[in-house]
Amino acid sequence: EPEVTQTPSHQVTQMGQEVILRCVPISNHLYFYWYRQILGQKVEFLVSFYNNEISEKSEIFDDQFSVERPDGSNFTLKIRSTKLEDSAMYFCASTRGQSNYGYTFGSGTRLTVV
Amino acid sequence: KNEVEQSPQNLTAQEGEFITINCSYSVGISALHWLQQHPGGGIVSLFMLSSGKKKHGRLIATINIQEKHSSLHITASHPRDSAVYICAGAASGSRLTFGEGTQLTVNP
Repeated sequence: EPEVTQTPSHQVTQMGQEVILRCVPISNHLYFYWYRQILGQKVEFLVSFYNNEISEKSEIFDDQFSVERPDGSNFTLKIRSTKLEDSAMYFCASTRGQSNYGYTFGSGTRLTVV
Repeated sequence: KNEVEQSPQNLTAQEGEFITINCSYSVGISALHWLQQHPGGGIVSLFMLSSGKKKHGRLIATINIQEKHSSLHITASHPRDSAVYICAGAASGSRLTFGEGTQLTVNP
């Protein structure tokens, strides 16, 4: 069964450093997402990406965040200057279409900012 | 604002019991997803519903569009079913709004 692959599985970084979280979505999926889950809290939407541009973003997704699909397969989330409160599990997901399509989630990247 | 509420927050059952987890959602949500999250953190999609009922093995998901309510049932529960079960709603775009999750523990 096709999978969404995320790397790394765990990253520790110092406050103020830049991090790039990587995802390889399923090849015939068209919509790509980043979600995050702070420990003990519910999963929150960050951003959706379609046709090589951001289609929707939440209020969490400020200027410190950016997304890219540089080569048609990888989908990356960059945090420019990490803060302690960015510590969370970050999930990539993809779907074939909007609303009435199932999601496939990656296994997540646990980001710890120290 | 799209909202999703789940109950109960925590559920403990004995192996073999029938389990129900409930989810209510707000106007504007057109599809409801049931997801499973294991202790390691990974999320697995179980069902996507916009109407009716779906069944996969011992799992059954139903949705009542008029009442804006969905349920996830597990028949003949087993300790390996222990996980967090999450309902999430999709509105006219494709972003999901997540519920708080239900921590299910099935004891042998």
